[in-house]
Amino acid sequence: KNQVEQSPQSLIILEGKNCTLQCNYTVSPFSNLRWYKQDTGRGPVSLTIMTFSENTKSNGRYTATLDADTKQSSLHITASQLSDSASYICVVSARGSGYALNFGKGTSLLVTP
Amino acid sequence: ETGVTQTPRHLVMGMTNKKSLKCEQHLGHNAMYWYKQSAKKPLELMFVYNFKEQTENNSVPSRFSPECPNSSHLFLHLHTLQPEDSALYLCASSLGQDWGQYFGPGTRLTVL
Repeated sequence: KNQVEQSPQSLIILEGKNCTLQCNYTVSPFSNLRWYKQDTGRGPVSLTIMTFSENTKSNGRYTATLDADTKQSSLHITASQLSDSASYICVVSARGSGYALNFGKGTSLLVTP
Repeated sequence: ETGVTQTPRHLVMGMTNKKSLKCEQHLGHNAMYWYKQSAKKPLELMFVYNFKEQTENNSVPSRFSPECPNSSHLFLHLHTLQPEDSALYLCASSLGQDWGQYFGPGTRLTVL
């Protein structure tokens, strides 16, 4: 069964600090992995997308890594800001699975002053 | 956020009511999706339409009835819902399979 597990479930950090969110998956055959940011009361917004051959991708202060061998991804947030408070969702797509995606439950991040 | 719009943003309804959720995308995409997002659970795909044709129906109860009159508009008709149907309903669109999905802001539904 294709699964996506994220950790931690929730995280509280001080403004200006860095943090790393984890995503482990069992989705096969792998097509791509995306990280989404979802603000409270809003829809998810894509941050990064990585295919099998890519092991790192940056978007401003967000850097995603992918290890396709161990089926792990991480999202590193540098110099956190209050506006980074949100849920971060890892989404993995399998080749040949049609339009269906495999969603993690998300990590809820709270950045405090 | 203006790429995919959803109305209403909030909806409270009784179990005997009939209501509809509306989604519109202004991105020229061909595929549109309905998702259900409940607390502490991953997003659940409900329906997928590609070029107005339904391609996925993930065993969704018949009290949810989708309608896709064209590639830009998607509706979710609701009738005789249950309290456990209370959730955030998200619409998304994409150019096609394997392309990134763009989400709307969602409709927060509460069933009393």
